Formats: sequence, structure tokens, C-alpha cells
Amino acid sequence: GDSVTQTEGLVTLTEGLPVMLNCTYQSTYSPFLFWYVQHLNEAPKLLLKSFTDNKRPEHQGFHATLHKSSSSFHLQKSSAQLSDSALYYCALDTGNYKYVFGAGTRLKVIA
Amino acid sequence: NSKVIQTPRYLVKGQGQKAKMRCIPEKGHPVVFWYQQNKNNEFKFLINFQNQEVLQQIDMTEKRFSAECPSNSPCSLEIQSSEAGDSALYLCASTETNTEVFFGKGTRLTVV
Repeated sequence: GDSVTQTEGLVTLTEGLPVMLNCTYQSTYSPFLFWYVQHLNEAPKLLLKSFTDNKRPEHQGFHATLHKSSSSFHLQKSSAQLSDSALYYCALDTGNYKYVFGAGTRLKVIA
Repeated sequence: NSKVIQTPRYLVKGQGQKAKMRCIPEKGHPVVFWYQQNKNNEFKFLINFQNQEVLQQIDMTEKRFSAECPSNSPCSLEIQSSEAGDSALYLCASTETNTEVFFGKGTRLTVV
């Protein structure tokens, strides 16, 4: 079946350093890939999405490139900010309205 | 900002009690989802609807939960007999297409 793997449970970074959160997936079909962000006591909300191979969507300084050859959709940002501290979820949808989420990565940015 | 409204925000029930939570999806969104977010922050898909009809649900939902999404009324998810392991954040979400899902803030259920 479809699955999403996020290898890091917790990433702690000093402000100003680059961010990279890993996401790989398995899917029989060619899925949409998403990154959602959930701040404390808030609803998860969409950060980025992609369907196109090697395209790099960007939002709020974050970007992710979908690489179908390696089934990856890693999230990156050049310089972490304190306000980036949150839970980040990679997810996929194969088109049948059943989104599969990864286990999530908690990003903690410290001063 | 998401306009998916979930009530109540917090729910405390004893073991064996029914626990019911509601969700008003974003206007015009025909597809509604329920997810359970556990204490490890993992998302577990429970059920989804398209225009009031169940699309998919997991075994646990079929056996222990009662869910519906009537037209012109809030969607609801009810646990028939709460267990300690049901303590979690229950997230409702809706979508118009499959390119973005909008979440509510959730109902945090504590089973004591």
C-alpha cells in the first residue's frame, strides 16, 4: 500500500542554520505530495504541494523538490527562524481522497 | 485561514461512555475526513465522506464508531463505548478537490 516515511522524529536547530526535513514515499500511482505544518494548538495547514517531477514549489521561505526517481520530497529552508518551530508532516494523495501522512517531524529552533 | 469548525474543543468521558464530536466543513467542500492524532502526533485515517456517502473507513471505525455527514447539518463522529486508548486529538478536514485539505483545530478527547 501507499506509505510515507519521515525518518527524523525531532530536529533541533540553531536559528539561522539551514533546515532539511526528509520525506520519502511509496505509491503504486503517481501521487500528489504535500507538506503540512502544525503549530502548537493550531490546525495543520498546507505549506507546499507538488505533482510535477523536479518542480520546486516555494512558500514562506520553504521549498521542496519532488524527485520521482528517488521517491523523495524533502523540505528545505536556507535559514531557520524561531517561528518555524512546529510539527511538519509529509503526506501523499493518490487521487482517491485518502491522504496518507508520515509520522511527522518536530522542528525545534533555538536562539 | 481554515473555516472548518470543530466542537467541542475538549471532551472528557469515562470508559464505556459515548463520546460525540461535531464538524462543520468549509462551505462547498463535498469531501470530509476524520483523522485521529495520537500522543505521538501520528495521524490515523478513520473515515471519509463524499456528499454524505462514506468513501472509505478503517475496521476500527466500522466496529466502534458511528459517523455521518448529513446535508445541511454538521458532520459527527461518535465513539460508542470509549476506551482509554481512544484518548487523542480528533481532526476533521474537508476539501473541494484533492489538491489541498483544510483542517479544523480538533477535538481533544480524554477518556478517564
